[in-house]
Amino acid sequence: SQTIHQWPATLVQPVGSPLSLECTVEGTSNPNLYWYRQAAGRGLQLLFYSVGIGQISSEVPQNLSASRPQDRQFILSSKKLLLSDSGFYLCAWSPKRGNTEAFFGQGTRLTVV
Amino acid sequence: SQQGEEDPQALSIQEGENATMNCSYKTSINNLQWYRQNSGRGLVHLILIRSNEREKHSGRLRVTLDTSKKSSSLLITASRAADTASYFCATGVSGGYNKLIFGAGTRLAVHP
Repeated sequence: SQTIHQWPATLVQPVGSPLSLECTVEGTSNPNLYWYRQAAGRGLQLLFYSVGIGQISSEVPQNLSASRPQDRQFILSSKKLLLSDSGFYLCAWSPKRGNTEAFFGQGTRLTVV
Repeated sequence: SQQGEEDPQALSIQEGENATMNCSYKTSINNLQWYRQNSGRGLVHLILIRSNEREKHSGRLRVTLDTSKKSSSLLITASRAADTASYFCATGVSGGYNKLIFGAGTRLAVHP
């Protein structure tokens, strides 16, 4: 069966520090991968998606970047965090076929102080 | 940008009652999905209804879709305290990568 791992679960970082959140998927190959951010009490905002290794598309321009160095690895990064980067970050994957659901990791609660 | 708008934003009911949540959207869709999120956790997929379907059932869940009104509803029958969570609708739209656009969610509280 497929599983998705996302870490760390919580993170407190000072303003201006770098960020690296990692997500890996097991039990499937060539998935679509996604990074979402959820502000408190709000829905999910799609940040990045990837349909293959090295292929990253950004939905919202901001202080973050994403990379997919391996088929089942998706990384969210920032060189210098801003206070506004605080939030709940969720990684997800979906099969390539259409009309299918997404499978989410447990999320990372990022607090920038 | 968020496409789905859930209604109500919050719902409080007693165990055994039914809970109905509504979702409206703006553009053409391939499918509409409902997800559940327990506090501080990831989202769990509940049910997917395709644009050519009108109603779908899964256990105590019933989803309807009215593409003419661009709306969907999620009914949870005989609710339990364990159903307490936030529920999100997400519209699957064309974009070449199973693009999902989420609404802001409905917070459901089921009291014993």
